[in-house]
Amino acid sequence: QVQLVESGGGVVQPGGSLRLSCAASGFSFSSYGMHWVRQAPGKGLEWVAFIPYDGSNKYYADSVKGRFTISRDNSKKTLYLQWNSLRPEDTAVYYCAKGRIEVIDYWGQGTLVTVSS
Amino acid sequence: EIVLTQSPGTLSLSPGERATLSCRASQSVSSSYLAWYQQKPGQAPRLLIYGAFSRATGIPDRFSGSGSGTDFTLTISRLEAEDFAVYYCQQYGRSPPGLTFGGGTKVEIK
Repeated sequence: QVQLVESGGGVVQPGGSLRLSCAASGFSFSSYGMHWVRQAPGKGLEWVAFIPYDGSNKYYADSVKGRFTISRDNSKKTLYLQWNSLRPEDTAVYYCAKGRIEVIDYWGQGTLVTVSS
Repeated sequence: EIVLTQSPGTLSLSPGERATLSCRASQSVSSSYLAWYQQKPGQAPRLLIYGAFSRATGIPDRFSGSGSGTDFTLTISRLEAEDFAVYYCQQYGRSPPGLTFGGGTKVEIK
């Protein structure tokens, strides 16, 4: 079955940098697009970024464009999200998710990122 | 950018009752690009409906989606205990390309 396991979250100081990873299994990772979606504590879902199966294009929400970078390593079946200049408003659970650009069909369990001094 | 508004914010119903959840878009949305998700406390979301009408794999037939243009509906024909959760609608826009989620509707036990 599809498994997506995020890692790399934790407490980070404002202005710091972070890289999240998502290890995929149970499907042909190199054949599918991948998303990152975040959810601030007690809030709704916010789409962050999408990368197609081959990494040829990358799409970002306006709120993160220029700060976040989505990437993938198909040989390692791993998705990444990296960003610098972390802000308190980046505090959220970050979900790795599989799907086409227009819909998400499977979600990981998420990793919590807390930006605080 | 298209904004999705979900109503009501909270729906209080009893098991066995029918739930009707609304998702209204600020501009017309292609039915092909409208989806619904369910999220229970402490869990990741789960895809219920895609393409406005099509049930995802393993989703019971008491869940159905309908609508077109700017008005879409998720209906749960008879609520079961495991259906009490938060539901989100989502659309895909081409310009700029990306996903937008509604604010969610919480279905709680009355």
